[in-house]
Amino acid sequence: GQQVMQIPQYQHVQEGEDFTTYCNSSTTLSNIQWYKQRPGGHPVFLIQLVKSGEVKKQKRLTFQFGEAKKNSSLHITATQTTDVGTYFCAGPDTGNQFYFGTGTSLTVIP
Amino acid sequence: DAGITQSPRHKVTETGTPVTLRCHQTENHRYMYWYRQDPGHGLRLIHYSYGVKDTDKGEVSDGYSVSRSKTEDFLLTLESATSSQTSVYFCASRANNEKLFFGSGTQLSVL
Repeated sequence: GQQVMQIPQYQHVQEGEDFTTYCNSSTTLSNIQWYKQRPGGHPVFLIQLVKSGEVKKQKRLTFQFGEAKKNSSLHITATQTTDVGTYFCAGPDTGNQFYFGTGTSLTVIP
Repeated sequence: DAGITQSPRHKVTETGTPVTLRCHQTENHRYMYWYRQDPGHGLRLIHYSYGVKDTDKGEVSDGYSVSRSKTEDFLLTLESATSSQTSVYFCASRANNEKLFFGSGTQLSVL
């Protein structure tokens, strides 16, 4: 079955430093989505990427979808304490299932 | 956020007892999902539904069953709970644009 891996599993950064998480799928994805889960909360949709090589920005967050549509990255510039949480990538398989990556837990040290 | 609610929010039960978790959505979404979240494993799909009475297994379906008698309700049942099923359970529904909306989760402890 489809596997979606993320690295790193954990990341501690000083406030103001940049942060990147990487997502790799064992299969080609029709699209990839990113979610953020605050501590004690539930995952919340951030963005969806559909096209090969697509890059999207949301303020300090930059999302990329690989040319082969098997990998993706999320980069946060100048982290803030409000960025704390776990970031998940997710993608549908050829059917109706949605597979989530293992997640990257981000800690921002003030 | 879409109207999706889970109940109960917390549950403590004993090994061997049946447990049913409920998910209710008000968005008329066709697809619904049950995930479990454990440290180091992210979100793993248990079962999903693509319509009333239409369900299928996910990657960790052993020991779980589901039912969907109405569009708005998706039930997850642990027939005989085991300690390995202690977890946080999330329900999600999928909009037409494929965006998933999650409930607030159920913390289940099996003693």
